[in-house]
Amino acid sequence: AQSVTQPDIHITVSEGASLELRCNYSYGATPYLFWYVQSPGQGLQLLLKYFSGDTLVQGIKGFEAEFKRSQSSFNLRKPSVHWSDAAEYFCAVGGYSSASKIIFGSGTRLSIRP
Amino acid sequence: GAVVSQHPSRVICKSGTSVKIECRSLDFQATTMFWYRQFPKKSLMLMATSNEGSKATYEQGVEKDKFLINHASLTLSTLTVTSAHPEDSSFYICSATSGADYEQYFGPGTRLTVT
Repeated sequence: AQSVTQPDIHITVSEGASLELRCNYSYGATPYLFWYVQSPGQGLQLLLKYFSGDTLVQGIKGFEAEFKRSQSSFNLRKPSVHWSDAAEYFCAVGGYSSASKIIFGSGTRLSIRP
Repeated sequence: GAVVSQHPSRVICKSGTSVKIECRSLDFQATTMFWYRQFPKKSLMLMATSNEGSKATYEQGVEKDKFLINHASLTLSTLTVTSAHPEDSSFYICSATSGADYEQYFGPGTRLTVT
């Protein structure tokens, strides 16, 4: 069965500190992987995506993620967080076409300590 | 970039009434649109997939007679919650794809409150 696991429900980091949000997936074929961010009461914004090629993917707002097939992981990282990064982060997996379903993880809420 | 809008952004309706939510792709033709539901502090749950001109495909456990989806044109899909009840209160988000790239573009969401 296809699934996405985000083991951390809530993470708090200090402003300026580094960040890593974990994501593990289960998918029957080569997955398309996504990270989205959602601010309270808002829709989703795509941070980055992985389809193929280089396993280290750069996204917007200084985020990056690394696809590790052997670990079925796609962790999101940022070297130095800003207070504006406080939000809910969702990892997601999809199929080979844009018409395929996207399955979302349960999300990780990020809080920033001043 | 591709923009998807939803209308209304917030709606309050009385129990037993129906409410329609619109999802529009503003600058591209959406061959496929998706409807999601998000409970407070929870993830997005896919409700259904709709392709222009054909019937929507509903996920298991989603009542198709309660959540009517119409994708009548390449830029508009509607979700109608029929005979709404308080338990239907939720945040509904749509997404759309043109098929030209491997990306779904998400709308800003609609907050439905049923009193």
